[in-house]
Amino acid sequence: KAGVTQTPRYLIKTRGQQVTLSCSPISGHRSVSWYQQTPGQGLQFLFEYFSETQRNKGNFPGRFSGRQFSNSRSEMNVSTLELGDSALYLCASSSGLAGGITDTQYFGPGTRLTVL
Amino acid sequence: DAKTTQPTSMDCAEGRAANLPCNHSTISGNEYVYWYRQIHSQGPQYIIHGLKNNETNEMASLIITEDRKSSTLILPHATLRDTAVYYCIVRVEGETGANNLFFGTGTRLTVIP
Repeated sequence: KAGVTQTPRYLIKTRGQQVTLSCSPISGHRSVSWYQQTPGQGLQFLFEYFSETQRNKGNFPGRFSGRQFSNSRSEMNVSTLELGDSALYLCASSSGLAGGITDTQYFGPGTRLTVL
Repeated sequence: DAKTTQPTSMDCAEGRAANLPCNHSTISGNEYVYWYRQIHSQGPQYIIHGLKNNETNEMASLIITEDRKSSTLILPHATLRDTAVYYCIVRVEGETGANNLFFGTGTRLTVIP
């Protein structure tokens, strides 16, 4: 089974621009979560989407948004980029189901965003 | 919020067992212990998880104390490729919205030739 894929792998933007990152989950997985990793803050949860709806949200400003499509693929958008948005952005997929089922998250390779 | 405590770093000789401890003294009855590792600048890799029984898979073993307040991840024969940051995470299962994993700072394991 193919793993989680993220595109692009590397991206360079300038301050004030916006960026869209893409994540394709493992086949059959309906939950996609996004994380930001920086040297100073470590790995931090951004949000989770399940069945095209945001189900959970971390403590990030509204410049960070996302969406999920009917095929479970997800995109994350950051508007008005700041220097501090330079980070590794990771997405993880899982079945998203509850009810006594262990719902392990599997991570993609990440997108390295550099803001100049 | 940090629910786990791990040593900042550890060394292990190649070929020896690597034992990585984790304290989770406030763990609830419905929280599982998960272990991930992250090799430099790659996405975290799932290793193993457990509730109260010891678990083993092709990568590692997980030993959970009877009171569930601590656990140890064991890599039986460490290789240079096991050099990574190892994260111990507790999370609730069986509930929606439990996918906001808190990673903490983890343990940087260095396998020495």
